Amino acid sequence: NAGVTQTPKFRILKIGQSMTLQCTQDMNHNYMYWYRQDPGMGLKLIYYSVGAGITDKGEVPNGYNVSRSTTEDFPLRLELAAPSQTSVYFCASSYPGTEFSGYTFGSGTRLTVV
Amino acid sequence: GNSVTQMEGPVTLSEEAFLTINCTYTATGYPSLFWYVQYPGEGLQLLLKATKADDKGSNKGFEATYRKETTSFHLEKGSVQVSDSAVYFCALSDLQGAQKLVFGQGTRLTINP
Repeated sequence: NAGVTQTPKFRILKIGQSMTLQCTQDMNHNYMYWYRQDPGMGLKLIYYSVGAGITDKGEVPNGYNVSRSTTEDFPLRLELAAPSQTSVYFCASSYPGTEFSGYTFGSGTRLTVV
Repeated sequence: GNSVTQMEGPVTLSEEAFLTINCTYTATGYPSLFWYVQYPGEGLQLLLKATKADDKGSNKGFEATYRKETTSFHLEKGSVQVSDSAVYFCALSDLQGAQKLVFGQGTRLTINP
């Protein structure tokens, strides 16, 4: 029962560098999400996907890109890292339907941009 | 749009004290309401949920009742333990489209022995 797996757990980037945060789920969930968590600010939705080949912007998409080529994987790409992107990033997934029971979250990626 | 407001933290209590963390929401229609807990260094875990008015969600001694008349979903526990120290998030989903969750800002709870 792996659930939602995120890698890496920690990363330090220099300004202007690029990286991809990986997210994989093994629960056959259709819906997947990326959130960022800033201190005292709760979680803000970056991007989400309702199935393979379908992605859409959330509340704070600028500076990020995503793709969803398979049901299992939903990577988040940072093209030109900026200090404002220092945050903890959480991937989550859920199964659609009338008995929606919330998300399953990964353990997070702590990113520092210096 | 939809929003969630939680009581400001941090909250510090002694073991066996009574806990209340306030949560109010703004939403159109009839959202589902959730409480998530985040232990240090971990992701968020679903603690409890309620899907319609007057529903009571409960888990691990925590309870919350969906009050539509006051648009509230306050989290309560009768006797807290040191192991309850964590950050607690209230959230809602209108279940439309992608079932996006909107979170409150979180409340950090510390229980002293």
